Amino acid sequence: EIVLTQSPGTLSLSPGERATLSCRASQSVSSSYFAWYQQKPGQPPRLLMYDASSRATGVPDRFSGSGSGTDFTLTISRLEPDDFAVYFCQQFGSSPLTFGGGTKVEIK
Amino acid sequence: QVQLVESGGGVVQPGRSLRLSCAASGFAFNIFGMHWVRQAPGKGLEWVSKISYNVTQKSYADSVKGRFTISRDNAKNTVYLHMNSLRTEDTAVYYCAKDGGGPADFWGQGTLVTVSS
Repeated sequence: EIVLTQSPGTLSLSPGERATLSCRASQSVSSSYFAWYQQKPGQPPRLLMYDASSRATGVPDRFSGSGSGTDFTLTISRLEPDDFAVYFCQQFGSSPLTFGGGTKVEIK
Repeated sequence: QVQLVESGGGVVQPGRSLRLSCAASGFAFNIFGMHWVRQAPGKGLEWVSKISYNVTQKSYADSVKGRFTISRDNAKNTVYLHMNSLRTEDTAVYYCAKDGGGPADFWGQGTLVTVSS
């Protein structure tokens, strides 16, 4: 099983600041099989990024993804109030599909 | 637009069974795989199971293998999760999600399953 470790667990930032979220895999993952999701309280997750760096429909361009192999990054260039949420990474190239434990981006 | 509506959750005693349903609309259900993903209260996401569009492939997390069964009825645009021998650690919100060729690109609102005596 591929274990995904996200860091930090919590990121305390102010609106307008840059957020950098990390996801490290225990084994190499093809970027074609890597995604990021956003979840707000009381809501289901929403697909944010796929293929590690492609934005899903409707996702603003302040979100960007990068990485390959075992290290992946989600960057939010300038935080908007709507961006404060929990973010999960996922790999779906190897069964079982696995998610990271999540990074909470909170208002400082 | 894509809609996924889960139902069938509730409170159940350990060792009992429950069947979850997910009614899909707004897309060609019969050509997409479907997932079940769960989230225990205050915890992260755990993938549970996936079924291919034509039912030929099914996969499960180790934590549910042998106890849960995924199925679908393409005529009814519905995917199911049959859960047997439920344990307290199965308590979670269960989401169904459409497979967008890899990632889960649309999710339902979820249905809460509570396993408690």
